Amino acid sequence: EIVLTQSPGTLSLSPGERATLSCRASQSVSSSYLAWYQQKPGQAPRLLIYGASSRATGIPDRFSGSGSGTDFTLTISRLEPEDFAVYYCQQYGSSPYSFGQGTKLEIK
Amino acid sequence: EVQLVQSGAEVKKPGESLKISCKGSGYSFTSYWIGWVRQMPGKGLEWMGIIYPGDSDTRYSPSFQGQVTISADKSISTAYLQWSSLKASDTAMYYCARPRDGYNDYWGQGTLVTVSS
Repeated sequence: EIVLTQSPGTLSLSPGERATLSCRASQSVSSSYLAWYQQKPGQAPRLLIYGASSRATGIPDRFSGSGSGTDFTLTISRLEPEDFAVYYCQQYGSSPYSFGQGTKLEIK
Repeated sequence: EVQLVQSGAEVKKPGESLKISCKGSGYSFTSYWIGWVRQMPGKGLEWMGIIYPGDSDTRYSPSFQGQVTISADKSISTAYLQWSSLKASDTAMYYCARPRDGYNDYWGQGTLVTVSS
């Protein structure tokens, strides 16, 4: 089973700043089968990125994903107020399709 | 429009059984996997398992194998998650989601299950 470790646990930034979130896998994720989700309080998760770097439909281009193998990154170029939320990565290259423990992005 | 609509919140006692549902619409239900994700209070997302309604092929996370049963009724485009004997530790929000090539592109609204004596 692939274990995903996200860092940092909490990231405190201000609107307009750049956010960099990390997701590290315990073994290589095949074919870059790595997704990122955003979850706001009281809401279901929302797909942001799949295939490590492809934006889902309707996702603003300030969100970008990169990486391969065991190291992946979600970057938000300029934070908007609505971007403060919890972010999860998920690998879907090997069952079980595990999630990371999440990074909480909070307003500084 | 793709929609996954889940059944309502449940309050149960330890030892009781429960079956919650997730109805898909706006797409060919038998052509996509559908899965379940647990979120315990204040915690992260946990992948439980998936089912392919077309042939009922089912995969479970080892953490949930034997603890829950995932099923589907393709005649009514509905997937289910069931427990035979609930524990307090089953208290959580449960989401259904549609995996497209593995990643979840659509999610249900969630079903809150509370198990308390």
